[in-house]
Amino acid sequence: SQTIHQWPATLVQPVGSPLSLECTVEGTSNPNLYWYRQAAGRGLQLLFYSVGIGQISSEVPQNLSASRPQDRQFILSSKKLLLSDSGFYLCAWTRTEGYNSPLHFGNGTRLTVT
Amino acid sequence: SQQGEEDPQALSIQEGENATMNCSYKTSINNLQWYRQNSGRGLVHLILIRSNEREKHSGRLRVTLDTSKKSSSLLITASRAADTASYFCATAYSGYSTLTFGKGTMLLVSP
Repeated sequence: SQTIHQWPATLVQPVGSPLSLECTVEGTSNPNLYWYRQAAGRGLQLLFYSVGIGQISSEVPQNLSASRPQDRQFILSSKKLLLSDSGFYLCAWTRTEGYNSPLHFGNGTRLTVT
Repeated sequence: SQQGEEDPQALSIQEGENATMNCSYKTSINNLQWYRQNSGRGLVHLILIRSNEREKHSGRLRVTLDTSKKSSSLLITASRAADTASYFCATAYSGYSTLTFGKGTMLLVSP
């Protein structure tokens, strides 16, 4: 069966510090991978998605970036965090059919920028 | 914005009652999906309904889709306290390659 791992679960970082969140998927190959952010009481905002190694699509221009160095690894990064980067970050994957198949989410990372 | 909207924003019921949540969207879709999120956790997929389908069932869940009204509903029958969670609809709009999520309905089921 397929599993998705996302870490860390919680993170408190000062403004201006770097960020690296990692997500890995097991039990499937060539998944579509996604990073979402959820602000308190809000829906999910798609940040990045990837349909293959090295292929990244950005939905929202900001100081975050994403990389996919391996087929089942997706990394969210920032060189300098802003207060507005606080939120709940969720990694997800689908089969290659993309939106025609369900999204499978990790348990999320609660990021607080102080 | 293409974002779908759930209604109501919050719903409080007693165990054993039925819970109905609605989702409206703006343009033509390929499919519509419902997800559940327990507090502080990731989302869990519940049901996917395609644009040419009108109704789908999964256990105590029933989803309907009315493309003429651009709306969907999620019915949870015989609610349990464990159903307490936020429920989101997500739409796969025609011409777009990703899902768009609404803001969700918070469901509280009291014992």
